[in-house]
Amino acid sequence: GDSVTQMEGPVTLSEEAFLTINCTYTATGYPSLFWYVQYPGEGLQLLLKATKADDKGSNKGFEATYRKETTSFHLEKGSVQVSDSAVYFCALSDFGNTDKLIFGTGTRLQVFP
Amino acid sequence: DVKVTQSSRYLVKRTGEKVFLECVQDMDHENMFWYRQDPGLGLRLIYFSYDVKMKEKGDIPEGYSVSREKKERFSLILESASTNQTSMYLCASRPTTGSHHEQYFGPGTRLTVT
Repeated sequence: GDSVTQMEGPVTLSEEAFLTINCTYTATGYPSLFWYVQYPGEGLQLLLKATKADDKGSNKGFEATYRKETTSFHLEKGSVQVSDSAVYFCALSDFGNTDKLIFGTGTRLQVFP
Repeated sequence: DVKVTQSSRYLVKRTGEKVFLECVQDMDHENMFWYRQDPGLGLRLIYFSYDVKMKEKGDIPEGYSVSREKKERFSLILESASTNQTSMYLCASRPTTGSHHEQYFGPGTRLTVT
């Protein structure tokens, strides 16, 4: 079945460092891909998405490109801030009748001043 | 602004109790979902609903049931709570089917069963 694999955390960075969180997927068909973020004590909120191959999603300085050839959707940010500390989830939308979201296990990011 | 609310942020129940978790969305979305979130396991889908009175099992429905009597409200029921149901429960909603649509999440209910 469809699945999402993302790098384990925690990822610990200093402020202004470059961030990459790896995400790869397995899917039949052509899923949409998402990054969600969960700040401490809150629910998940959409960070960015891409709905077809070679699309780049971007928001708040974060970017991810839908790479069909490598089945990847890596999250990047050029300069992280302390306020980016959160858990990041990669997800794909199951193509078919249900359109369920299938999540990775989440990656905790900790940014220190 | 899109809004999904959950009845409680924190809940403590005893083993064997019947537990109701309520979720309300104000976006007129057809689809609603219940997930549980556990460390190292990510989010796992318990049940979802396409429409009023419709429900479908997700990946881990055992020990749970749901109710959707009104479009805006989706309830998760633990018929007889057990300690292995201690978890964070997240409700979400989404417009009609279409894989490009995002899901909108509530703040979560952290349930502890003792």
